[in-house]
Amino acid sequence: SYELTQPPSVSVSPGQTASITCSGDKLGDKYACWYQQKPGQSPVLIIYQDTKRPSGIPERFSGSNSGNTATLTISGTQSMDEADYYCQAWDSRNAFVFGTGTKVTVL
Amino acid sequence: QVQLVESGGGLVKPGGSLRLSCAASGFTLSDYYMSWIRQAPGKGLEWVSYIGRSTSYTNYADSVKGRFTISRDNARNSLYLQMNSLRAEDSAVYYCARVQVVTATPQYFDYWGQGTLVTVSS
Repeated sequence: SYELTQPPSVSVSPGQTASITCSGDKLGDKYACWYQQKPGQSPVLIIYQDTKRPSGIPERFSGSNSGNTATLTISGTQSMDEADYYCQAWDSRNAFVFGTGTKVTVL
Repeated sequence: QVQLVESGGGLVKPGGSLRLSCAASGFTLSDYYMSWIRQAPGKGLEWVSYIGRSTSYTNYADSVKGRFTISRDNARNSLYLQMNSLRAEDSAVYYCARVQVVTATPQYFDYWGQGTLVTVSS
């Protein structure tokens, strides 16, 4: 089955840039999206179709996808960005696949 | 505004059954694929099942295939998940979510409900 791998944790200082990777076989041939989940809350879509931001999502969130890796970048990270982040893609076996998740800590 | 409200969770014994519901509002349910996703306590997200705009197409994760059945009633603006032969490992918060389709392929979830907790324990 298709798998997406993320680092378990990423730490970033306020105002700095955080990058979260999502690795999967030929992921660049698929669309990747990203969700943010804060404790006790439902996931929220923050990036879709590799690079697009839904309405209301701050510009500091951006995405890219090439080769085997999709990347979520948070520029000028704020304390409110502390959360779990999940990538997700659609696999040809007609299945949705989630990444393993990354906890972002703003120190 | 789009709202998805799940209900039906609770405590059930191993081998038991439970039916989850998801009430949709703020959009026309029949225009969208819908899905169920779950999250075990302290764990990551796991896709469970999705259903096409009508009831003609469904698909399931291997972990629930043959035990869970997804269905929808577009007239009632509702999505359902019938869960049979429940196991301890099915314990999780279950979310319903709206699916966005791109070039005829389901791609991502643009709206999620608040979730309903299912606990399977004796």
